Amino acid sequence: DGGITQSPKYLFRKEGQNVTLSCEQNLNHDAMYWYRQDPGQGLRLIYYSQIVNDFQKGDIAEGYSVSREKKESFPLTVTSAQKNPTAFYLCASSETVSNQPQHFGDGTRLSIL
Amino acid sequence: GQQLNQSPQSMFIQEGEDVSMNCTSSSIFNTWLWYKQDPGEGPVLLIALYKAGELTSNGRLTAQFGITRKDSFLNISASIPSDVGIYFCAGRRIQGAQKLVFGQGTRLTINP
Repeated sequence: DGGITQSPKYLFRKEGQNVTLSCEQNLNHDAMYWYRQDPGQGLRLIYYSQIVNDFQKGDIAEGYSVSREKKESFPLTVTSAQKNPTAFYLCASSETVSNQPQHFGDGTRLSIL
Repeated sequence: GQQLNQSPQSMFIQEGEDVSMNCTSSSIFNTWLWYKQDPGEGPVLLIALYKAGELTSNGRLTAQFGITRKDSFLNISASIPSDVGIYFCAGRRIQGAQKLVFGQGTRLTINP
């Protein structure tokens, strides 16, 4: 089945540690996105990628980094510089960046130990 | 970044009732999307709207792209228990169309 797979479902980070969240899609979509969701909030864009080897900062990119070496993969690293990393992280993809709807994975919940 | 003004923030209704929610913006949008999110899962696309005035249905759900292009509405008829969840609107502005702007969600609770 085609879809977006995020892993792990739950992740715990120690102080000063970098952690990487995985996002894989087999929909052959060009564009991929990372969002952060806090309780009672809408989704805020961290980074997005229109095509392989390209990515752009979203609204809250500080303390995060991404790479797009393969079309199907868009991993997100939460660095130690992100002082409030506890949140629900959602990955999405769309055929292109322009007018196509985004489809989401099931998310990764990151917590601080 | 800008978020859309989505209302109401929460709704408590009886099973079988109809539901209405809306999103408004000060900017003109060229796309409106409606998503539903269940606890601990990602949002699922319900309806996509691309033209001002467009009215689209998906089963008991109906959504409209406002003619001013600054708002959108979602209606759910004859609610059932599985409609419980958080509903989000999202839109693309004409300027900065690479990004979706999200509302803060409407939490729907249904009393059986």
